[in-house]
Amino acid sequence: QKEVEQNSGPLSVPEGAIASLNCTYSDRGSQSFFWYRQYSGKSPELIMSIYSNGDKEDGRFTAQLNKASQYVSLLIRDSQPSDSATYLCAVHPPSGGSYIPTFGRGTSLIVHP
Amino acid sequence: ETGVTQTPRHLVMGMTNKKSLKCEQHLGHNAMYWYKQSAKKPLELMFVYNFKEQTENNSVPSRFSPECPNSSHLFLHLHTLQPEDSALYLCASSQRSGSNNEQFFGPGTRLTVL
Repeated sequence: QKEVEQNSGPLSVPEGAIASLNCTYSDRGSQSFFWYRQYSGKSPELIMSIYSNGDKEDGRFTAQLNKASQYVSLLIRDSQPSDSATYLCAVHPPSGGSYIPTFGRGTSLIVHP
Repeated sequence: ETGVTQTPRHLVMGMTNKKSLKCEQHLGHNAMYWYKQSAKKPLELMFVYNFKEQTENNSVPSRFSPECPNSSHLFLHLHTLQPEDSALYLCASSQRSGSNNEQFFGPGTRLTVL
């Protein structure tokens, strides 16, 4: 049973702070990792992808991957109230196997002014 | 706009009605998915189609019937639903293989069963 674990939150941070969202996964051979943002009542929107160990930066967002620890995180710098949403972690299985991702339950982020 | 469209965006139906949800993707993907998301609950994978063939059916009740006539279109036929089926129904598409196999979601259909 593939599992992707996220703290459901809510995680509350003040505006301008760094928000740190974490995700752990059980399938050691997983290859691709994605972060989606979902506003209330809306569909998930892809914001970051990461495939190799280390950091990947895109604007205010940084994804961090540690395959040895089976851990992927998303950092949001200079958090804004508009970042308030649920963040979903998705983990894709190894190449050659199933192509269907496993989603975590999501972490609710609240950025207060 | 993600390249995945869904209609209708909102649907209210009685338990005896029959309705269909439609999804269309313009991304050239070869896999399409139906998800259900109830209030404050995680995504639940319902069905997966790969090149028009159903590859997953996650123990979904038979009152939900999917149809995939080609790799760009996906339908979800609904009949004799229950109030607990009220939820956001999301369609997604992706490439089946390769490293860039992230999913792109449509805007969803908000379904209310009376």
